[in-house]
Amino acid sequence: DGGITQSPKYLFRKEGQNVTLSCEQNLNHDAMYWYRQDPGQGLRLIYYSQIVNDFQKGDIAEGYSVSREKKESFPLTVTSAQKNPTAFYLCASSTSGAAMTGELFFGEGSRLTVL
Amino acid sequence: QQPVQSPQAVILREGEDAVINCSSSKALYSVHWYRQKHGEAPVFLMILLKGGEQKGHDKISASFNEKKQQSSLYLTASQLSYSGTYFCGILFSGGYNKLIFGAGTRLAVHP
Repeated sequence: DGGITQSPKYLFRKEGQNVTLSCEQNLNHDAMYWYRQDPGQGLRLIYYSQIVNDFQKGDIAEGYSVSREKKESFPLTVTSAQKNPTAFYLCASSTSGAAMTGELFFGEGSRLTVL
Repeated sequence: QQPVQSPQAVILREGEDAVINCSSSKALYSVHWYRQKHGEAPVFLMILLKGGEQKGHDKISASFNEKKQQSSLYLTASQLSYSGTYFCGILFSGGYNKLIFGAGTRLAVHP
């Protein structure tokens, strides 16, 4: 079945450590997105990529980095520069240009807790 | 830039109706509605493009008032399965593929 796979589902990290969240899709979608979800704040856009080897910052990109070397993969690295990284992270994808007319397909999410 | 959703929370009895509103201070190209159940990924409900169209999805429908820069989601004869958090996502005119979500409206439907 086609879909988006995020891993790990749960992750604990010590302060000062970088962690990488994986996001893989087999939907053949060109566009991929990372959102952060905190209680009461909805979904906030971290980074998005419309095509391989290209990505743009969202509203809260500070302290995060991404890469898009393959169409199906869009990993997110939470760096030690991120002041408050504990959150639920959601990866999504859509067909090219289709955030305007098509739906976002979301993964199951990764919950990161900084100890 | 984040759209404003109202109300923040709604409690219903099965069979009752509800309206969730989403408004923006900037010109909109489209409005997207999603529902998220606790611990799960958001699920797409519908998209409304500018032009004032109205769409329906079973007993859930929505409208988009381009001039007022707002959208409303109508839940009719609510069912237990409607419980969850509803998010509107907006795409600004000229905003390319940057979908911005509201803070969400928590809906609880009780028997």
